Amino acid sequence: ETGVTQTPRHLVMGMTNKKSLKCEQHLGHNAMYWYKQSAKKPLELMFVYSLEERVENNSVPSRFSPECPNSSHLFLHLHTLQPEDSALYLCASSRGQGGIFGYTFGSGTRLTVV
Amino acid sequence: DAKTTQPNSMESNEEEPVHLPCNHSTISGTDYIHWYRQLPSQGPEYVIHGLTSNVNNRMASLAIAEDRKSSTLILHRATLRDAAVYYCILRDYNDMRFGAGTRLTVKP
Repeated sequence: ETGVTQTPRHLVMGMTNKKSLKCEQHLGHNAMYWYKQSAKKPLELMFVYSLEERVENNSVPSRFSPECPNSSHLFLHLHTLQPEDSALYLCASSRGQGGIFGYTFGSGTRLTVV
Repeated sequence: DAKTTQPNSMESNEEEPVHLPCNHSTISGTDYIHWYRQLPSQGPEYVIHGLTSNVNNRMASLAIAEDRKSSTLILHRATLRDAAVYYCILRDYNDMRFGAGTRLTVKP
């Protein structure tokens, strides 16, 4: 248990489905992040939320839609995905955005698009 | 973000110390040096971080060169559970961006 909980752990979805990934932290952190990790590739930063405001969106396709309703919860809504979107999706949180703050990661959601 | 350079892979024997190097010649004065590791099928795990002085915690030690252009993560006695990909990252106010890291193999 890392303090950041992601559900579900595994998800298989068709290209026409709509699903959501959930991330929850009760560490009192103010910033939350979505990363994507494809096979044999480094982690890619997708979205950054600070104090529930989206502060960064790294050219992510619109079929990925993040939502941060409060500082403890982060969602990634998925629709009409492609097989190449299959990856490990990781959520992380930090106390703040300064360099002194480390990240706490969840265990990830393994997504397979069929 | 400033870039880091790490060897792709390293091997170690169990119970022996491991020194994982990282070069960051373009580091700025406000960049913190962070180390994370990722075990198979898990999210990255924080290991240690520092700014200028060497740092120790229960997991590892971080040795930072005087000019801050390189650093070394030291695992004092490697165990099989330390086999992972180790990432060295520079972080200022910007967000954490990962490179390929060093894959550490620990041999019994």
